[in-house]
Amino acid sequence: DTGVSQDPRHKITKRGQNVTFRCDPISEHNRLYWYRQTLGQGPEFLTYFQNEAQLEKSRLLSDRFSAERPKGSFSTLEIQRTEQGDSAMYLCASSPLSRETQYFGPGTRLLVL
Amino acid sequence: QKEVEQNSGPLSVPEGAIASLNCTYSDRGSQSFFWYRQYSGKSPELIMSIYSNGDKEDGRFTAQLNKASQYVSLLIRDSQPSDSATYLCAVNRDTDKLIFGTGTRLQVFP
Repeated sequence: DTGVSQDPRHKITKRGQNVTFRCDPISEHNRLYWYRQTLGQGPEFLTYFQNEAQLEKSRLLSDRFSAERPKGSFSTLEIQRTEQGDSAMYLCASSPLSRETQYFGPGTRLLVL
Repeated sequence: QKEVEQNSGPLSVPEGAIASLNCTYSDRGSQSFFWYRQYSGKSPELIMSIYSNGDKEDGRFTAQLNKASQYVSLLIRDSQPSDSATYLCAVNRDTDKLIFGTGTRLQVFP
């Protein structure tokens, strides 16, 4: 069990550019979650998947954000036309069952200049 | 009113003392409760989960849940400088998403 992995760990981009992050959950975990965390705040829920189905999206997830989990394994989170307000730590978590413990990956820290 | 509230701290305790961290939540339908530890610049790491009223102990950590009063607490016995971190309280309601508090920063001084 290698844990949740995320790539890249750090990303610096210019405003207006598109970025994509990848998350590989713990194997056999069918639930995968995306959160965003800014300085001094707790993580905020963005979206989650059960297998390949996206079951819930936060109102925080504007139309510039899209997430996929095409084969029910890894997931990608894309942000189009990045804005400075998108600068945050993007966290991925996975769990085996509903309402069970969620295990977090190391996060991707995004800085939009 | 925030859904999950924590005192932001810092809570400063001497090494060897008991640290008491508290969290209140607004939704009586909340079912699962978690404490995560987060070191600066790192991701949250699970400390404890608790699902029913009462105490749950794991090593130096004890989680306490009181659904009638809508609070959950974490006690850390024999606090060590390595326990210095931000402690996040998280709650599951009727969906799978976690609702987090803003965290309490704990400082354990030698």
